[in-house]
Amino acid sequence: RKEVEQDPGPFNVPEGATVAFNCTYSNSASQSFFWYRQDCRKEPKLLMSVYSSGNEDGRFTAQLNRASQYISLLIRDSKLSDSATYLCVVSGGSYIPTFGRGTSLIVHP
Amino acid sequence: GAVVSQHPSRVICKSGTSVKIECRSLDFQATTMFWYRQFPKQSLMLMATSNEGSKATYEQGVEKDKFLINHASLTLSTLTVTSAHPEDSSFYICSATLSRGATYEQYFGPGTRLTVT
Repeated sequence: RKEVEQDPGPFNVPEGATVAFNCTYSNSASQSFFWYRQDCRKEPKLLMSVYSSGNEDGRFTAQLNRASQYISLLIRDSKLSDSATYLCVVSGGSYIPTFGRGTSLIVHP
Repeated sequence: GAVVSQHPSRVICKSGTSVKIECRSLDFQATTMFWYRQFPKQSLMLMATSNEGSKATYEQGVEKDKFLINHASLTLSTLTVTSAHPEDSSFYICSATLSRGATYEQYFGPGTRLTVT
């Protein structure tokens, strides 16, 4: 089983739609969780950290479920500019990050 | 804050030559930096962990004599691809670790696209 797993997609949604991604992790000792966004041929950029209590930043909501070992990212009112690959990142006490393969999102008019 | 630069952004070199890539954290100190490579439509692959003042830790399958890493200061790590071959052509990305209390955030450089002819 891979350490961090994501559905690669692509998720193809119309503008204005709500879309959710899940990411599962295998190491129960993981401590830090993040969502990154990567545009084609560019470096990943931190979208948001994921806290135990869940957190929201505008149209983006991230949640952590430690019992089931997954994190989620919800995007509301999708924009064309949200089209990208979303990477789930998990790290444990050694803080070496482990990346998921990414979920591709395509928002169309 | 939390800006990481990488230089060069793009390099084309001939087979057999060596290429040095620099990764700098511009507004914070990073005791740990990571080097990745990414092939088209594939995920980031961790190559090595670079710790300031000590030897880098390489992932399995990554040749330490081919990918030389030096982390001479808290803001600079370098990756040298020695005797490059066409199969080394890839997108190389570094990240620097920023500690925020109990969590460690990764900030990425813009990447270096290496083409070996």
